[in-house]
Amino acid sequence: ETGVTQTPRHLVMGMTNKKSLKCEQHLGHNAMYWYKQSAKKPLELMFVYNFKEQTENNSVPSRFSPECPNSSHLFLHLHTLQPEDSALYLCASSRNRDSASSYNSPLHFGNGTRLTVT
Amino acid sequence: TQLLEQSPQFLSIQEGENLTVYCNSSSVFSSLQWYRQEPGEGPVLLVTVVTGGEVKKLKRLTFQFGDARKDSSLHITAAQPGDTGLYLCAGKGAQKLVFGQGTRLTINP
Repeated sequence: ETGVTQTPRHLVMGMTNKKSLKCEQHLGHNAMYWYKQSAKKPLELMFVYNFKEQTENNSVPSRFSPECPNSSHLFLHLHTLQPEDSALYLCASSRNRDSASSYNSPLHFGNGTRLTVT
Repeated sequence: TQLLEQSPQFLSIQEGENLTVYCNSSSVFSSLQWYRQEPGEGPVLLVTVVTGGEVKKLKRLTFQFGDARKDSSLHITAAQPGDTGLYLCAGKGAQKLVFGQGTRLTINP
């Protein structure tokens, strides 16, 4: 149990499908993040929410749509994806946005959703 | 753009050997974190180094932050199969946390 739970663990979808990834944290944190992890590339920050407000969108295509109804839940809605979007999608949380890289409040990651787009 | 380069990208050694992996940049970071990611799981924080020249030890793992806070190393003594995983460094930049691409370490029994 990592404190950050992601579902589903694996997802295979066609390019015309619509699906959603879910993330839930039980750590009482106020900031939540979506990262994309592809082979041989650094973790790519996609979106950041702090106190339910989106604070960062790192030029992510509109086929990825995040939603943060409260500080404990984060979703990533997917539609009309491309094969190059296949990757491990990691959710993370931290006490708050400014503390994400501080020594006393690092990122806590979920185990990810392995997404394959066919 | 701040970048972190990790080397080597892949390392496979026998149980009991020692190893060092590196995390280098031309940029200065105010702090640097090391994470380990095991297969099928998300990254887990191992340590954060803050001061230039700082050395931290976690059992058989020794982490060092460079004097100029541009680089870091992780040394593992007497590696064990349980050390297998992807090791990620992440530096605190001006605005955000910057990750390296990782070193995939395999310890063979």
